[in-house]
Amino acid sequence: GQNIDQPTEMTATEGAIVQINCTYQTSGFNGLFWYQQHAGEAPTFLSYNVLDGLEEKGRFSSFLSRSKGYSYLLLKELQMKDSASYLCAVRDSNYQLIWGAGTKLIIKP
Amino acid sequence: TAGITQAPTSQILAAGRSMTLRCTQDMRHNAMYWYRQDLGLGLRLIHYSNTAGTTGKGEVPDGYSVSRANTDDFPLTLASAVPSQTSVYFCASSPSNTGELFFGEGSRLTVL
Repeated sequence: GQNIDQPTEMTATEGAIVQINCTYQTSGFNGLFWYQQHAGEAPTFLSYNVLDGLEEKGRFSSFLSRSKGYSYLLLKELQMKDSASYLCAVRDSNYQLIWGAGTKLIIKP
Repeated sequence: TAGITQAPTSQILAAGRSMTLRCTQDMRHNAMYWYRQDLGLGLRLIHYSNTAGTTGKGEVPDGYSVSRANTDDFPLTLASAVPSQTSVYFCASSPSNTGELFFGEGSRLTVL
């Protein structure tokens, strides 16, 4: 079966750095997405990786290793507004997105 | 820019009743999707449409139907609601079936 695993919840301190991991087992691979979802709101796109390596976008970076079925989202200089759930999703061989359950990130002052 | 609009925002429905959740996008995206989001689970695809006039079944299609008469609208219908359909429903669109998804604000449905 297809599976996306990510931690349920993480806590970090304002101004610090946090890494949210995602491992996947899917039928084929056509890209990996990270989305941010604030409580009660819609998911919004953060990043996309299709090749191995690091993609940097401001305070957020996303890394992919296809051979290991592994990705992480790195958030630097954490701000209180970064408190949200972070969703990992993989596009499979049928171009359907398989979603993880999300990681709830709690930022403490 | 409106983007993608869903209605209603929330609804309480008696079991056995029918309900249509509306979804409209003004971005001229080809692909549209309906997901449900339940606590502790990832988003699950109900139905999708890669282009106007075509639809397909997702992971959890039973009890739901969709139509795609034009590019902009993608309504989701529950013919006879059951309590297990209590969920938050998200409509999404994408320029193609390979692009990022843009989500509506969600419709919270409670079936009693």
